[in-house]
Amino acid sequence: DAGVIQSPRHEVTEMGQEVTLRCKPISGHNSLFWYRQTMMRGLELLIYFNNNVPIDDSGMPEDRFSAKMPNASFSTLKIQPSEPRDSAVYFCASSFGEVGELFFGEGSRLTVL
Amino acid sequence: QQPVQSPQAVILREGEDAVINCSSSKALYSVHWYRQKHGEAPVFLMILLKGGEQKGHEKISASFNEKKQQSSLYLTASQLSYSGTYFCGTETSGAQKLVFGQGTRLTINP
Repeated sequence: DAGVIQSPRHEVTEMGQEVTLRCKPISGHNSLFWYRQTMMRGLELLIYFNNNVPIDDSGMPEDRFSAKMPNASFSTLKIQPSEPRDSAVYFCASSFGEVGELFFGEGSRLTVL
Repeated sequence: QQPVQSPQAVILREGEDAVINCSSSKALYSVHWYRQKHGEAPVFLMILLKGGEQKGHEKISASFNEKKQQSSLYLTASQLSYSGTYFCGTETSGAQKLVFGQGTRLTINP
């Protein structure tokens, strides 16, 4: 079985540019999570979806961040415009059921210069 | 609110035991434990759902004290492969909103 698939694995961009991170959850999973990991702040929950519906986006840093899940097999996290402080590893994770094991993707490492 | 993990780092020799603690200021619905190796994604170890519940995974086990809002992860007779950063994730609302602690870095030396 394919796990959670994220792309790109690495992205280097300049301040002010738009960044789009993509995630394909495990087939059959009904919950999807976006986390951001930095040394200073650890693993932060940005937003999570249940059955494609955003349930809690209180962790989204500011209006520059947006996330969508148009269908059960695809989600995007967009940063526009990007800033150097957005540099981090962004993880997507999916799970099945009410209290389930989170399966993480390999992450997208973002560097904003 | 982010749970608090202790200690922040542990260095052991192979074969020694370790305990990692996770505490919350809020009532907990469940506690998850994950391990992350450098440059990789976190990997699930176990979920504890009930107060006083204990679970085991090879030589790694955990307990959950609902009244104290605490969980502990026990690593027995540690192996080199146990090295990594351990995270607890706590759920307070039943809505599967997992908030992770800052992590405990475990180093196992031969």
